[in-house]
Amino acid sequence: QITLKESGPTLVKTTQTLTLTCTFSGFSLSNSGMAVGWLRQPPGKAPEWLALIFWDDDKRYSPSLKSRITITKDTSKNQVVLTVTNMDPLDTATYYCAHRMVRGVFDYWGPGTLVAVSS
Amino acid sequence: AVQVTQSPSSLSASVGDRVTLTCRTSLGLTSSLVWYQQKPGKAPKLLVYDDFNLAAGVPSRFRGSTSGTDVTLTISSLQPEDFATYYCHYLGAFTFGPGTIVDIK
Repeated sequence: QITLKESGPTLVKTTQTLTLTCTFSGFSLSNSGMAVGWLRQPPGKAPEWLALIFWDDDKRYSPSLKSRITITKDTSKNQVVLTVTNMDPLDTATYYCAHRMVRGVFDYWGPGTLVAVSS
Repeated sequence: AVQVTQSPSSLSASVGDRVTLTCRTSLGLTSSLVWYQQKPGKAPKLLVYDDFNLAAGVPSRFRGSTSGTDVTLTISSLQPEDFATYYCHYLGAFTFGPGTIVDIK
């Protein structure tokens, strides 16, 4: 079955760069049609999509955060990495990675990791 | 940017009640809308996609449908495990609605 899990720091300081790793199993990101996305959810708010990476290394970014985020993959390790530069307290959120169905739906999500940004 | 709205923002209901949640996009589109359920401290769980297709393992008391420019999620008989927040997600712009909280009356 498909599983994903996020890992990384739980606390970063303002202006620092956040690096999060998604380690997954149950599918290969080298297979046609596969994609993994990153989303986040500030406390008490709705989820927000951040980035998406496809099996062919095509990438999509949220227009509002495009200048600050980068998504990469390591197919051999079954990992997808998200970096967010210039972190701000407003970036405090639970960050999720998720498997994307061919139809475009995020069907499997990791448990999430809460990242706090302190000034 | 495409806006996704949900109504009501919250509702209180009892076990056994029938509840209907509504989602709408600023474009008036009904396709490419997905429903998620989220419980406190947990990741969102996929419920309905492609308007009415239930995700694997989702009970048949959940039903997705469209009516004009609205997309609705109906729970035919609310169960204790259904008290949660429900989000609508527009795939075309990766935009989520603000959610509807379903709590116990």
